[in-house]
Amino acid sequence: GQQLNQSPQSMFIQEGEDVSMNCTSSSIFNTWLWYKQDPGEGPVLLIALYKAGELTSNGRLTAQFGITRKDSFLNISASIPSDVGIYFCAGQYTDSWGKLQFGAGTQVVVTP
Amino acid sequence: EAGVTQSPTHLIKTRGQQATLRCSPISGHTSVYWYQQALGLGLQFLLWYDEGEERNRGNFPPRFSGRQFPNYSSELNVNALELEDSALYLCASSKRTKSGPGELFFGEGSRLTVL
Repeated sequence: GQQLNQSPQSMFIQEGEDVSMNCTSSSIFNTWLWYKQDPGEGPVLLIALYKAGELTSNGRLTAQFGITRKDSFLNISASIPSDVGIYFCAGQYTDSWGKLQFGAGTQVVVTP
Repeated sequence: EAGVTQSPTHLIKTRGQQATLRCSPISGHTSVYWYQQALGLGLQFLLWYDEGEERNRGNFPPRFSGRQFPNYSSELNVNALELEDSALYLCASSKRTKSGPGELFFGEGSRLTVL
């Protein structure tokens, strides 16, 4: 079956450090999305990517759609305490219209 | 502009009962999606509705069903509840674009507990 792997599972970082996480898929995606979820809330869209090779920034966040269309990364620069949360990648396979496949999430903990 | 709204926030049922969850999409969005998020797990795709029709379905049994109304709101029904149905049920909406579903915007979810 189609597999979507997200790593790392969790990260413990100090305030001010950079964070990097990535997702790889066993099949080609036509869309990559990155979400953040705080406890008790729904996921909030951070960045959307639609073209292979696309590099997009949103403040301190940067994400890229891999050239092979099977991977994506998210970087957070100069982390702050409010960056704490679970980050999910999500992608849409070309043969499964409307269905987003989500990664298992990366738990980010920021210590002062 | 109001975001995606879901009700109820919390719902407690017993095994064998039925649960109905409701979702109102963002104004102007015609697609509604339902996802299940079990505790500590990622989001699992349940259903996608667009323009009143079911467009895609995830790997869930038929006792998970739903519908979309003419005003694009939606409800998710879960029949014959089982303990493992306990989860956060998230609704999302999007505009329909030429290249397919647009970016999904999520509600805060409905927490279903089955005892």
